[in-house]
Amino acid sequence: AIRMTQSPSSLSASTGDRVTITCRASQGISSYLAWYQQKPGKAPKLLIYAASTLQSGVPSRFSGSGSGTDFTLTISCLQSEDFATYYCQQYYSYPQFGGGTKVEIK
Amino acid sequence: QVQLVESGGGVVQPGGSLRLSCAASGFTFSSYGMHWVRQAPGKGLEWVAFIRYDGSNKYYADSVKGRFTISRDNSKNTLYLQMNSLRAEDTAVYYCAKIMGIYDAFDIWGQGTMVTVSS
Repeated sequence: AIRMTQSPSSLSASTGDRVTITCRASQGISSYLAWYQQKPGKAPKLLIYAASTLQSGVPSRFSGSGSGTDFTLTISCLQSEDFATYYCQQYYSYPQFGGGTKVEIK
Repeated sequence: QVQLVESGGGVVQPGGSLRLSCAASGFTFSSYGMHWVRQAPGKGLEWVAFIRYDGSNKYYADSVKGRFTISRDNSKNTLYLQMNSLRAEDTAVYYCAKIMGIYDAFDIWGQGTMVTVSS
């Protein structure tokens, strides 16, 4: 099974900061990677698919990059509504999620 | 609008059974593969099972293989998860999710239904 490793597991940041979250696959997955945002008590929300394609309606401050085994999610200018947990997910084979990154208020 | 609504969760004793349902609306349900994903309290997301658009193929996580069965009724726009031989570690919120189509990311999620396995 492909393992997905996210880092960091949590981070503290302030509104307006640039935030980067990384995700590493245990083997190459081309660009078959998605990023989700989850707020407490809510279902996950798709942000990015195909590693770098922004889902419709998602603000442009979110961006994704990478291919193969190493991927990043960047939030260019953190807003209050962005404090949440973020998950990467590979869909190259049986779906597998990363462990999550909790973005907290500094 | 496009919507998935889960139901059927509850409290069940270890070894018991439960069937979850996921009612779809606002899109052509019969055209899309569907997944079940779960999240144990305070934990991350875990993929559970997938069924192709026509029900022809089904795939399961090792943790539920042989105990859970995914199915669908395209005439009723409904996805199911039959859960047997439940264990304490199956306690979680269960989400159904739709794949995009061309890409297999999960673009629509239900609100989730809680399953608690406890004596």
